Amino acid sequence: EDQVTQSPEALRLQEGESSSLNCSYTVSGLRGLFWYRQDPGKGPEFLFTLYSAGEEKEKERLKATLTKKESFLHITAPKPEDSATYLCAVLSGGYQKVTFGIGTKLQVIP
Amino acid sequence: EAGVTQFPSHSVIEKGQTVTLRCDPISGHDNLYWYRRVMGKEIKFLLHFVKESKQDESGMPNNRFLAERTGGTYSTLKVQPAELEDSGVYFCASSHSSAYSPLHFGNGTRLTVT
Repeated sequence: EDQVTQSPEALRLQEGESSSLNCSYTVSGLRGLFWYRQDPGKGPEFLFTLYSAGEEKEKERLKATLTKKESFLHITAPKPEDSATYLCAVLSGGYQKVTFGIGTKLQVIP
Repeated sequence: EAGVTQFPSHSVIEKGQTVTLRCDPISGHDNLYWYRRVMGKEIKFLLHFVKESKQDESGMPNNRFLAERTGGTYSTLKVQPAELEDSGVYFCASSHSSAYSPLHFGNGTRLTVT
């Protein structure tokens, strides 16, 4: 069974203090790794898809990277509006069901 | 483009009652999924429709849950009879036909069974 572990579960940063969120995974045949952002009371919002080790994607202050065992979401000079729960999810095998991690709740303090 | 819409946003029912959740996917999305998040746990897969056909229902907890997708458009998820452990947030998501298309989620239905 696919497993996705995210760390830390919660992270508190000062505005401008860069950091990284970790997503480690155990799957049989990774087809894609997704990062989502979720705000309170909302559904997850798609950020990135990574397909193979070594791949990187960027969007504003966020950069996602992928290795054979884990993915990192780097947040550079975060702002309070970056506060949210960040979810990692994997797609594997021959099916289209995605397995989610529990998420990292990020709080950026002004 | 209108997003995925779910109704109702909240539902509070008593144990033993029936509840029906509705999801309207993004127009043109053949794939429709139901997921559930129980408090303190990960978002878990329930089932997957391709158009009106059930492609994978391996995540459905038991036969008290029934999902349908009429004419390949909107979907309903019925829980009958509801139990306390069914409480959680039920998310619907849709995607294009490509196997690697990201999921577009609705805002969920928060179900509380008392």
